[in-house]
Parts: sequence; C-alpha cells; structure tokens
Amino acid sequence: GNSVTQMEGPVTLSEEAFLTINCTYTATGYPSLFWYVQYPGEGLQLLLKATKADDKGSNKGFEATYRKETTSFHLEKGSVQVSDSAVYFCALGNQAGTALIFGKGTTLSVSS
Amino acid sequence: KAGVTQTPRYLIKTRGQQVTLSCSPISGHRSVSWYQQTPGQGLQFLFEYFSETQRNKGNFPGRFSGRQFSNSRSEMNVSTLELGDSALYLCASSPRTSGPAAGANVLTFGAGSRLTVL
Repeated sequence: GNSVTQMEGPVTLSEEAFLTINCTYTATGYPSLFWYVQYPGEGLQLLLKATKADDKGSNKGFEATYRKETTSFHLEKGSVQVSDSAVYFCALGNQAGTALIFGKGTTLSVSS
Repeated sequence: KAGVTQTPRYLIKTRGQQVTLSCSPISGHRSVSWYQQTPGQGLQFLFEYFSETQRNKGNFPGRFSGRQFSNSRSEMNVSTLELGDSALYLCASSPRTSGPAAGANVLTFGAGSRLTVL
C-alpha cells in the first residue's frame, strides 16, 4: 500500500543554517505530495504541494521537488529562522482526494 | 473567512464512556475528513465525508463513527472509550469533490480536539 517515510527528528539548527528534511514515498500511480507544518498547540497548515513529477512547490522560503525517479519530496530551506521551529509532516494524497497518508513528522528546533 | 472550527478543544473522559466531537468546515467546503494524532502512531486517517456520505474509511474499529449533516458540519463519535483513544482529533475540510484533480485537494485543518481518557 501507499506509505510515506520521513527522517526522524528532532532536528536542531542555529538560525540561518540550511535545512533539509528527507521524505520518500511508496505509491501506485502519480499521487500529489504535500508538506504540512504544525506549530505548538495548533492544527496543521499546508506549507507547499506538488502534483506531478518535477513540480517544485515553494512557500515562505521552503522548497520541495517531486522526484519520481527517486520517489522523494525532500523539504529544503536556505536560511532557517527561530519562527520556523515546528513539526513538519510529509504527506501523500490518494487519487480520489479523500485521504492523506502522513509521515511520522520531524520536529525542527531553531535557536538564535 | 472563518477557518475550520472544532469543539470542544479539550475534554476528559473515563474508560467506557462515549464522546462526540464536532467540526464546522470552512463555508463552501463540502468534504470533511477526520484524523487521529498520537505520539506513537502519528497522524492516522479516520474517515472522510462528502454530501453526507462516507467516501473513505481508515483502519479503525467500529467504535469510531462519524456523520455529516446537510450543512456540511460533521461529528465523530467514539464509544466505549479506551485509554489508547487519548489523542488529538483533527478535522479538515476541502472544497474539491472528485475528478482528475481530486488528488491535489488541499485540506484545511482545525486546531483539534484533545481527548484524554482516564
């Protein structure tokens, strides 16, 4: 069945460091891929998405490219800020759009 | 534009009791889905409703049920609560229905209802 694997955290970085959070998936067909972010005490917010191979999603300095050949959707940011501290979830959408399959989440902690 | 509203935000129940959680989607959104979030299992899909019909269901026991009303508001119910049901229950709504672009549906999540079972 479909599944998502993302790197275990926590990830601890200093402000302005480069961020990579790895995400790989297993799926039949061509699913849409998403990154969601969860700040403390809040629900999930969409960070970015990509709907087909080689698409690049981007938002707030974060980027991720849909790589079909490596079944990956790694999240990157060139210079993290303290305000980026949160839990990041990689997710795969089923073709009917009725459910998301999430990775376990990666906790990012950025210090000044 | 109001977001997804979930009530109650926090609740405490004891084993064997039942609980009902409510979700009001974004106006105009007709699809509502529910997820359970726990430290051990992460985020797991419970079910999804569209136009009062359950279209998809996750791998949860029959104690977990839901419904959707004609105004798209949704409720989920958990009967005979167990300690392991302690979790954050998240509701999400989406404007899309079906078709080729359905897989790209973006879900907007509420803040969740945190259930503690003692």
